[in-house]
Amino acid sequence: DAGVTQSPTHLIKTRGQQVTLRCSPISGHKSVSWYQQVLGQGPQFIFQYYEKEERGRGNFPDRFSARQFPNYSSELNVNALLLGDSALYLCASSLGQGGSKNIQYFGAGTRLSVL
Amino acid sequence: AQRVTQPEKLLSVFKGAPVELKCNYSYSGSPELFWYVQYSRQRLQLLLRHISRESIKGFTADLNKGETSFHLKKPFAQEEDSAMYYCALKSENSGYALNFGKGTSLLVTP
Repeated sequence: DAGVTQSPTHLIKTRGQQVTLRCSPISGHKSVSWYQQVLGQGPQFIFQYYEKEERGRGNFPDRFSARQFPNYSSELNVNALLLGDSALYLCASSLGQGGSKNIQYFGAGTRLSVL
Repeated sequence: AQRVTQPEKLLSVFKGAPVELKCNYSYSGSPELFWYVQYSRQRLQLLLRHISRESIKGFTADLNKGETSFHLKKPFAQEEDSAMYYCALKSENSGYALNFGKGTSLLVTP
């Protein structure tokens, strides 16, 4: 049974470029959340989508955007990359929102390095 | 503001010793708290949540609203417990997203 899958696993970009990260949730899960984890810190919330609608947004600049597709997969886009965007980007999926439906299952992450 | 604080960056104990990983939170509503664990080269996974009040791998955590704490405890640490532990608060204000602490690295030595 596949868990949350993320692609690519590693990515190297230069400042000013744009990047797209992809996430496939566990089958049957309708909610996807994105987190940024900088080295030595806990994951920090970026976005949450449920039924293809944005349901929450963390304290990140407008350079960060995301969307959820009809099959519940999701993409995270980051424009005009900065050195400080170098981090592990985690995707988590859950059945839905509220109660036990919101237990989040994490992918292995995409390691983004900005040079 | 919602905040989760894990005061210890690193905790080292001997095998068989009791272990307590501290977590304090600030939240004006009714909190829902979790402990997540990340073993070496594995993905982040849920260890336990306060609502379920269960014991997983010998670990327990009790929500203390008076002290705004959700400390993780185990009476006898094992070497396989060595991992990174994150306390997290579910935030209704952000679409039920998780607000994580900075994590505590637990090292259990023989």
